Amino acid sequence: EPEVTQTPSHQVTQMGQEVILRCVPISNHLYFYWYRQILGQKVEFLVSFYNNEISEKSEIFDDQFSVERPDGSNFTLKIRSTKLEDSAMYFCASSVTRAGEQFFGPGTRLTVL
Amino acid sequence: ELKVEQNPLFLSMQEGKNYTIYCNYSTTSDRLYWYRQDPGKSLESLFVLLSNGAVKQEGRLMASLDTKARLSTLHITAAVHDLSATYFCAVDKRGGADGLTFGKGTHLIIQP
Repeated sequence: EPEVTQTPSHQVTQMGQEVILRCVPISNHLYFYWYRQILGQKVEFLVSFYNNEISEKSEIFDDQFSVERPDGSNFTLKIRSTKLEDSAMYFCASSVTRAGEQFFGPGTRLTVL
Repeated sequence: ELKVEQNPLFLSMQEGKNYTIYCNYSTTSDRLYWYRQDPGKSLESLFVLLSNGAVKQEGRLMASLDTKARLSTLHITAAVHDLSATYFCAVDKRGGADGLTFGKGTHLIIQP
């Protein structure tokens, strides 16, 4: 069964460093999303992406964040200058349609020291 | 601002019992999702409810949606230990917003 994959599974970085989190959505899906979950808290929407552009972003998704689909399969989230409070699990998701079921990847645990 | 509230946030129950998790949301929506999350794992889609009165069942879990009351329920029948997990409801705003707004989750422990 097709699934969303994410790499790395765990990333440790120093405060102020740039990180890139990678996702490979399900191949026939057209809509892509990033969410984050701070440990023990609820899942929060960051950004959605369709047709090579951002379609919606939350207040969390400030100028430190960017997304890109550099090729036909990868979807990346970049954090330019990480802060301690960026430590969280980051989930990528994809769906066939805009209102369709979103399938989540296994997540990348980001630890900022 | 769309708000999604779940209750209870924590539930400990015995195997064989029935219970219901409630999900209220604050603005109009036609789409509601239930996800399961095991500790340290990703979110597994359980149900997608797309219209008023929708009811879906999978095994011991049944979900329903009342869009007029802005309420969804997840009912657990004759609980078994394997259902222990955190359950999230999530809502998609009407009007085409893409991002899901999640509730805080219900941490369910089912004891033998």
